[in-house]
Amino acid sequence: DAGVIQSPRHEVTEMGQEVTLRCKPISGHDYLFWYRQTMMRGLELLIYFNNNVPIDDSGMPEDRFSAKMPNASFSTLKIQPSEPRDSAVYFCASRPESGELFFGEGSRLTVL
Amino acid sequence: GEDVEQSLFLSVREGDSSVINCTYTDSSSTYLYWYKQEPGAGLQLLTYIFSNMDMKQDQRLTVLLNKKDKHLSLRIADTQTGDSAIYFCAEKRAGSYQLTFGKGTKLSVIP
Repeated sequence: DAGVIQSPRHEVTEMGQEVTLRCKPISGHDYLFWYRQTMMRGLELLIYFNNNVPIDDSGMPEDRFSAKMPNASFSTLKIQPSEPRDSAVYFCASRPESGELFFGEGSRLTVL
Repeated sequence: GEDVEQSLFLSVREGDSSVINCTYTDSSSTYLYWYKQEPGAGLQLLTYIFSNMDMKQDQRLTVLLNKKDKHLSLRIADTQTGDSAIYFCAEKRAGSYQLTFGKGTKLSVIP
């Protein structure tokens, strides 16, 4: 298996633009997590899904952030409109029912 | 305070042992983890310990858990330049499917 695949690896955009980050979890993994990493706040859990259903989105900063998982092999994290303070590395991770959490390589977002 | 705390930086000489410390607050933690993040990469699981254990050894890595003091440490023997990375401590609480991460300790190995 290729591991958790995220795209794009790097995104530079202007304030106000819509940003969509994508994730393909490892096949067979029941749980998918979106994290945000910044120097100030470290690694923060934004939302996680179980069998494509959002379970806990209490970490989503505000209504500008939304996440979907239309099927077991794909998830998106959308920011609309983006702001400079959203600049961070966004990680997707997946795991089976009982087992290790695997991270993707991350998507580095810069909002100018 | 933070749920999981770590010192932010550690610098050691190549060949010496490194000890990275972590404290957590939730006594219901069932598993405790150490993840490694190399520059520009995601986090990789290094090792983990179940809360009813007090020590786990895996080659150059030794994990010590003091459940009474809620203190976890990672010792890396014979530290190499390839060990330079950020090390994250994480806890999994009973009944939860998510992990709570510390802010990470940046280990710098001096040749």
